[in-house]
Amino acid sequence: DSGVTQTPKHLITATGQRVTLRCSPRSGDLSVYWYQQSLDQGLQFLIQYYNGEERAKGNILERFSAQQFPDLHSELNLSSLELGDSALYFCASSVAPGVNTEAFFGQGTRLTVV
Amino acid sequence: GNSVTQMEGPVTLSEEAFLTINCTYTATGYPSLFWYVQYPGEGLQLLLKATKADDKGSNKGFEATYRKETTSFHLEKGSVQVSDSAVYFCALRAPSNQGGKLIFGQGTELSVKP
Repeated sequence: DSGVTQTPKHLITATGQRVTLRCSPRSGDLSVYWYQQSLDQGLQFLIQYYNGEERAKGNILERFSAQQFPDLHSELNLSSLELGDSALYFCASSVAPGVNTEAFFGQGTRLTVV
Repeated sequence: GNSVTQMEGPVTLSEEAFLTINCTYTATGYPSLFWYVQYPGEGLQLLLKATKADDKGSNKGFEATYRKETTSFHLEKGSVQVSDSAVYFCALRAPSNQGGKLIFGQGTELSVKP
């Protein structure tokens, strides 16, 4: 158990809908990262937060947004869903975004858009 | 920019065979390098890491050496087991002044047959 909790584990929704994925980082970790894993794109970095502030942005679509709350949990919002958004979404956390610190991953949320 | 390239899979080996999974990187500055492993249906787990040139990371019989001159971080294991069947990801972590995000290679699937 990595200590990073993601909910829900599975989500099935229709095209055009909006969903929210939730991540609770390990106790004491201030930095949260979101990744999308799909068969054709591999593991893509979406966005990173540190202590409530956006720190880095990757290949995140405009239809997607995220935030980190004062209690350090994070939510990833996906809207106007398309079939191609079906993927595994991982959250990871680390103490800080320092170069030597490792990131711990949650079990992921499997999103299926039908 | 920063990027990671891994050898393509799937790699299929017999039990007790020697394993090498190649990983090369492109980075500005001095990143840290990691190998993560993803077992079926699970999230990513840190396998080993190296934070500076010539460092050797090791864990569970796996080893990788940070080679700055060849920008490589190849994963090796002398004798693989069926339980090592998983997807292996090489990753680099950019310095914090570049965002500190983890950048992954495309993953290499390893299948070990008894």
